[in-house]
Amino acid sequence: DAGVIQSPRHEVTEMGQEVTLRCKPISGHDYLFWYRQTMMRGLELLIYFNNNVPIDDSGMPEDRFSAKMPNASFSTLKIQPSEPRDSAVYFCASSEGLGSNQPQHFGDGTRLSIL
Amino acid sequence: GQSLEQPSEVTAVEGAIVQINCTYQTSGFYGLSWYQQHDGGAPTFLSYNALDGLEETGRFSSFLSRSDSYGYLLLQELQMKDSASYFCAVRDNQGGKLIFGQGTELSVKP
Repeated sequence: DAGVIQSPRHEVTEMGQEVTLRCKPISGHDYLFWYRQTMMRGLELLIYFNNNVPIDDSGMPEDRFSAKMPNASFSTLKIQPSEPRDSAVYFCASSEGLGSNQPQHFGDGTRLSIL
Repeated sequence: GQSLEQPSEVTAVEGAIVQINCTYQTSGFYGLSWYQQHDGGAPTFLSYNALDGLEETGRFSSFLSRSDSYGYLLLQELQMKDSASYFCAVRDNQGGKLIFGQGTELSVKP
């Protein structure tokens, strides 16, 4: 079975540019999560969806960040305009449910560098 | 709110046993999970404890004491490939999103 698929794997762009990260969750998983990982802040949740509906976006740092899930098999995280402090690894994860015996499956991440 | 504490680094030798501790503070408890992450790769689920006691999965075991708000991950017969970061995690007070600890970097030496 295919796991969570993220693209691109690496992104290098100049500040001020729009960045779009993409995620395909595991088929049949009702929950999708976007995380950001940095050395300073660790692994932090940005937003999560249930059945394509955003449930908790309290981790989204500011209005420059937006996320959508137009259907059950695709989600995007957009940063516009990007800033150097947005440089991080962005992970997408999916799960069948929120039970702790329903683990989250992570993609390989997108390594984002904003120059 | 929720918070977790775990050591930032642990070093051990091949073949040894190592214990990675995690203490947590949470207003509602929905279980303690452990994830492994190799060198910035995808975190992968290792184990989960909802009740007190020890859960064993091969060389890895996880323990929970709810009265002490404490758990640990035990790795036996350490191998070089076990060098990775290990994260404990709890659910938020609504039983929703996972809150991760800062991670423990385990280095296994020959």
